[in-house]
Parts: sequence; C-alpha cells; structure tokens
Amino acid sequence: DTGVSQDPRHKITKRGQNVTFRCDPISEHNRLYWYRQTLGQGPEFLTYFQNEAQLEKSRLLSDRFSAERPKGSFSTLEIQRTEQGDSAMYLCASSFFYNEQFFGPGTRLTVL
Amino acid sequence: ELKVEQNPLFLSMQEGKNYTIYCNYSTTSDRLYWYRQDPGKSLESLFVLLSNGAVKQEGRLMASLDTKARLSTLHITAAVHDLSATYFCAVRLTGNQFYFGTGTSLTVIP
Repeated sequence: DTGVSQDPRHKITKRGQNVTFRCDPISEHNRLYWYRQTLGQGPEFLTYFQNEAQLEKSRLLSDRFSAERPKGSFSTLEIQRTEQGDSAMYLCASSFFYNEQFFGPGTRLTVL
Repeated sequence: ELKVEQNPLFLSMQEGKNYTIYCNYSTTSDRLYWYRQDPGKSLESLFVLLSNGAVKQEGRLMASLDTKARLSTLHITAAVHDLSATYFCAVRLTGNQFYFGTGTSLTVIP
C-alpha cells in the first residue's frame, strides 16, 4: 500500500511526558501537513513542509509543539511536556503542490 | 482569522431524497476542498474546486463553488445509505494554510 502511514496509531502517555509521532507520506508528494482533530470538530491546521523546508508554523499550538522533516521524506511531530488538553487525533496528510491532500489514519493521543 | 461555516451540522435524510450542504467562508480563497470522513476513519478527498463557477460531480455527489459569494455547495442526489458520513469543506489561504469547516454529519435512513 502506498498511502500515507502514521505511527503509532495510538499513544497513551502521562501528563508531562514528551511524545513523538511519525508520518510517512506518499513518496512522490512534496508537501506534508500536520493537523489536530478533536471530537466533533474539523481538522485544525498546524504546520506544513515543502520538501524539507517548514514553510508555515505560525499555527503550531504552542512552543511545546515542533515538527521536522529532515530529508524531505518522513516527518515527525513532537509534543513536549504533554497536557491533558493535548489529547486528540493527530493527522498527517501529503500532496503534490496544491492538489488534493491524502490523509493518513492518524495517531490518537490520550494524555492521562 | 478565516471562518468556515457549514450548515446544517447534522442532517438526517431518507434514501432517495435530495439535499444540499452549504459551506460559507469569510475571506478570499482560491481553492475549496470537500472531504468525507467515516466514523473512526481518516479523511477521504472528494473534490477540489479551483475557480468561480466550478462544478464537479462524482456519482451522487456534486460540488460547486461561487467565489464571489464565498459559498460552496455539496448536493446529494437520491441518497443511499453508503453516503452516511461526515462531510467537511476546507479552504486554502495565502501561505498555504488550510481551514476546515466543523463538518456536516449525514445519516441516510432506509
């Protein structure tokens, strides 16, 4: 399967711990996006990369959130010092420039 | 900040009926997207609308865009149970930021 993959699919952590999520986009796509989705809401845009460059990060939720895409392929999203309010589904998507985005299955984060 | 409003938020309709979902957005955008999300699943792209007056159709779904009115519609024709899902519209702003609506939860009743 050559779709967008995310790992892990579920993560349970204690408040204050750091977590890191990985996203592998569709190989020919140059853009990669991170979103957060809470129950009953639409996805909330966090950041995006074009190749290895992070071109928009002003909507990352706080300085506890950071993302990387070091070689222009997979990406990681890290949340430091997690809080209960960080509990959500974190979605990754990829696209070729402005074309439609293909979404991964998401990582569900639960902060206890 | 851009606001994207969908209505209705919840829609229950009988099989075979027609209905329209509306997506209004508050500032200029050059692209509008429609996605479908099944419960517990991720999002599936349905349509990308690029210009004023654009209309796209796939099966029982048809999407249109009026950039002057900042309005997109998703029309459902002769609904079937398989169309039950949550539908989101999303707009793209300068800087490649994307804003999604709150979604319309559609239930098609036999």
